[in-house]
Amino acid sequence: DVKVTQSSRYLVKRTGEKVFLECVQDMDHENMFWYRQDPGLGLRLIYFSYDVKMKEKGDIPEGYSVSREKKERFSLILESASTNQTSMYLCASSPVRGRYEQYFGPGTRLTVT
Amino acid sequence: GENVEQHPSTLSVQEGDSAVIKCTYSDSASNYFPWYKQELGKRPQLIIDIRSNVGEKKDQRIAVTLNKTAKHFSLHITETQPEDSAVYFCAANPNQGGKLIFGQGTELSVKP
Repeated sequence: DVKVTQSSRYLVKRTGEKVFLECVQDMDHENMFWYRQDPGLGLRLIYFSYDVKMKEKGDIPEGYSVSREKKERFSLILESASTNQTSMYLCASSPVRGRYEQYFGPGTRLTVT
Repeated sequence: GENVEQHPSTLSVQEGDSAVIKCTYSDSASNYFPWYKQELGKRPQLIIDIRSNVGEKKDQRIAVTLNKTAKHFSLHITETQPEDSAVYFCAANPNQGGKLIFGQGTELSVKP
């Protein structure tokens, strides 16, 4: 059974703080993804990675960066948190490049005040 | 640009009725179309998917149909039950790549 975990379920940060969201998968998946989920907007892709130390921008990368130093771990970084980054953040992974099914983590509800 | 449109945004049905959710996609190169179910407070979970070389796929009470010419695909749930109540998301993979573009979601409510 695929397990994708995220470091926190709920997080409250202040404007201007640097925020780290961690995601770990235990199935040796090659691909990892970060989304944010907002009501009425679905899931929007922030960044993704097909390999260690590799990253590609998604549809809304502004204000975010990522790090993938190990295959199983993909971190999302908010360099200077702003109130418009208050959202649900979901991490996902998929096995290899030709297999597209994605498995999601439980999500982190981030509130920036 | 790459886009997936999903309708309706909310759907309410009586238990036992059928429910249909429709999506259209913009990139004709897309070849993978999954559907995810997200129950309240839970993570999205894959419930069914279809590839572009197939027109229809069924799994018990759920089915997905794909019309490549029209660039749309649909989720059909028959004999709905209260536990089908959730938000459903469609998605497509632009450029036959590994990333997915998701629709806006449909909140399905099944009334007993």
